[in-house]
Amino acid sequence: GAGVSQSPSNKVTEKGKDVELRCDPISGHTALYWYRQRLGQGLEFLIYFQGNSAPDKSGLPSDRFSAERTGESVSTLTIQRTQQEDSAVYLCASSHATQTGTGASGANVLTFGAGSRLTVL
Amino acid sequence: RKEVEQDPGPFNVPEGATVAFNCTYSNSASQSFFWYRQDCRKEPKLLMSVYSSGNEDGRFTAQLNRASQYISLLIRDSKLSDSATYLCAVRKGFQKLVFGTGTRLLVSP
Repeated sequence: GAGVSQSPSNKVTEKGKDVELRCDPISGHTALYWYRQRLGQGLEFLIYFQGNSAPDKSGLPSDRFSAERTGESVSTLTIQRTQQEDSAVYLCASSHATQTGTGASGANVLTFGAGSRLTVL
Repeated sequence: RKEVEQDPGPFNVPEGATVAFNCTYSNSASQSFFWYRQDCRKEPKLLMSVYSSGNEDGRFTAQLNRASQYISLLIRDSKLSDSATYLCAVRKGFQKLVFGTGTRLLVSP
């Protein structure tokens, strides 16, 4: 597709259940990010995949959170034993291979999906 | 100290006003800088990259001050449609892109 696609767009679940969120990046984009945005808050970095490099998982808030990416395509974010504080919009973004420098090309520029809104009751 | 900091606002300005936001970053080795715009309940979208020499796109001007480790965004002749949250983003090399919490702008008639 032309953009970053995320599913589901909305998910309501009960506390303690597991959820899986999916992201389809733009074709050819080697970098993929997951961010979390709570209501009225900024973007909280969760995890970053860059090509075949080991992912940067430094933003995952607990071991209940995990993410995978198959090659340079689909990524899934899994939250186990959901808690009410997990309620947020989960945003996925992708870009071409990142470069150093101040963005002279289209590299480094992220395109975001519309997000998956998670509500934990 | 947060990696990227912004004044959350809101900045309330009348149409036609000039408004400026700053964003400070803590890592002096940061190399890539951006401003994103986020409308209410929408995903962020790139507004402009920030180049070392500063850059302008219509009514928007972005500047980088490496010595003081901040970037700025100036909006001239504000429009009602400029009302949004403006997020700065900073990256060092090939590392993750870190966002500030955003500055909310409200332009009134």
